[in-house]
Amino acid sequence: DAGVTQSPTHLIKTRGQHVTLRCSPISGHKSVSWYQQVLGQGPQFIFQYYEKEERGRGNFPDRFSARQFPNYSSELNVNALLLGDSALYLCASVGADYEQYFGPGTRLTVT
Amino acid sequence: AQTVTQSQPEMSVQEAETVTLSCTYDTSENNYYLFWYKQPPSRQMILVIRQEAYKQQNATENRFSVNFQKAAKSFSLKISDSQLGDTAMYFCAFMKLLGSNQFYFGTGTSLTVIP
Repeated sequence: DAGVTQSPTHLIKTRGQHVTLRCSPISGHKSVSWYQQVLGQGPQFIFQYYEKEERGRGNFPDRFSARQFPNYSSELNVNALLLGDSALYLCASVGADYEQYFGPGTRLTVT
Repeated sequence: AQTVTQSQPEMSVQEAETVTLSCTYDTSENNYYLFWYKQPPSRQMILVIRQEAYKQQNATENRFSVNFQKAAKSFSLKISDSQLGDTAMYFCAFMKLLGSNQFYFGTGTSLTVIP
C-alpha cells in the first residue's frame, strides 16, 4: 500500500501570493490532519478533516483554509503569504486507531 | 489547554548503549494517548511507540520502551542497544480522545548516536 503522499515537495513563493498544498492519505483512511513545522520546533496543528467535514482547527489566521474531497484527499490553502509562513507543512493520515501517519511534507519558502 | 515539554534539546549516546529521553505534559483530561515520533534527517515523521493513558503497563516495541507515570504526567522513552539509524529528532506528542484528536507536540530532542 502507498503511504501518505504530498505535493509539491518544495515551493518558493513571494509575499502576498497564494499557495495550495495537496495530500493523499493512506487508502482506507477517511481523516487527514495538517501541521505546520517551523525549523527547530515541533509541528503545530492547523486542521483536521473527517469525511469532508472540518473536525478541528488550530490557532491559525483565516488566511489558512483547507478542504477534503470525496476520495479523502485534501488541500491546504494559504492566502496573502507572509515571511513567517515559511515552514514544512505536514499532512497526516489518521487511522481508526488514532495513530497519525505522516507524509514527507512540503517545504514552503516565502521570500 | 494541553502542553508538552521536552527539556533536553540535544542528547548523544554511544552505539550499543542505552539512552532515555524525557517528556512531561500538562492536561486536565483523563482519557488520552501519548506518542513518540522520530524524524530522521530525511524529515518524514515515523511513529516509534504509543501509550494509552488507561493502560498501566508500559508500552514496548523491540528496543524502544516507555516509562509512563500518569500521576506525575511523565512519559519518557528508553532506547536500548542504540544504533546509528536511531540518530534523529524525537518528538513526544499528546492526543486527547475527545474532540478533534489533534496532536500536541513537544519541541523535540535531537539524538545523535556516536559510533
